[in-house]
Amino acid sequence: GENVEQHPSTLSVQEGDSAVIKCTYSDSASNYFPWYKQELGKRPQLIIDIRSNVGEKKDQRIAVTLNKTAKHFSLHITETQPEDSAVYFCAAIPDTGRRALTFGSGTRLQVQP
Amino acid sequence: NAGVTQTPKFRILKIGQSMTLQCTQDMNHNYMYWYRQDPGMGLKLIYYSVGAGITDKGEVPNGYNVSRSTTEDFPLRLELAAPSQTSVYFCASRPDIGANVLTFGAGSRLTVL
Repeated sequence: GENVEQHPSTLSVQEGDSAVIKCTYSDSASNYFPWYKQELGKRPQLIIDIRSNVGEKKDQRIAVTLNKTAKHFSLHITETQPEDSAVYFCAAIPDTGRRALTFGSGTRLQVQP
Repeated sequence: NAGVTQTPKFRILKIGQSMTLQCTQDMNHNYMYWYRQDPGMGLKLIYYSVGAGITDKGEVPNGYNVSRSTTEDFPLRLELAAPSQTSVYFCASRPDIGANVLTFGAGSRLTVL
């Protein structure tokens, strides 16, 4: 089955700096890669996603890049703000086999004011 | 349109007790999932269903059972609760294979003492 690894596990940045979180996946059949933000005690919320036929996608301060050849994808947050502090999860899902998202282990992002 | 509704929100069980976590969605989604999230960790797939009458195991199914008699409901049963099942349980759903965005429930926090 799919295996998703995520790094780093914790990330501390100063307000206004950029943050980058990286994930690798193992199943070459995976073709959809979402990123979720989870605040303390809340459910995961989708913040951005990318499909395998696209190399990059941007939504305001958030961008995701995908390298299918290397099987890795990254989340980029620019001009970080204290409200960006949360745990971020990457995930992957193939169109065949087990049709369920496999999640990375999460990155705790702390934005220092 | 309530989305995905989980009950109960909190529950404390004694070792060996049984209980059912309820999950219902009103979006007519075919795919439904149960994930568990241990403290500081990512989400692990317990069971999933691609439609009424069809269920399949995920990564961590031991100690759990599910049923899917209707499109709306996907209950998760714990037969003999163990401390290792202390976790937050999330139910999620999505329409079909062409739409990968998950809608999560608010979660059920279970403690086994």
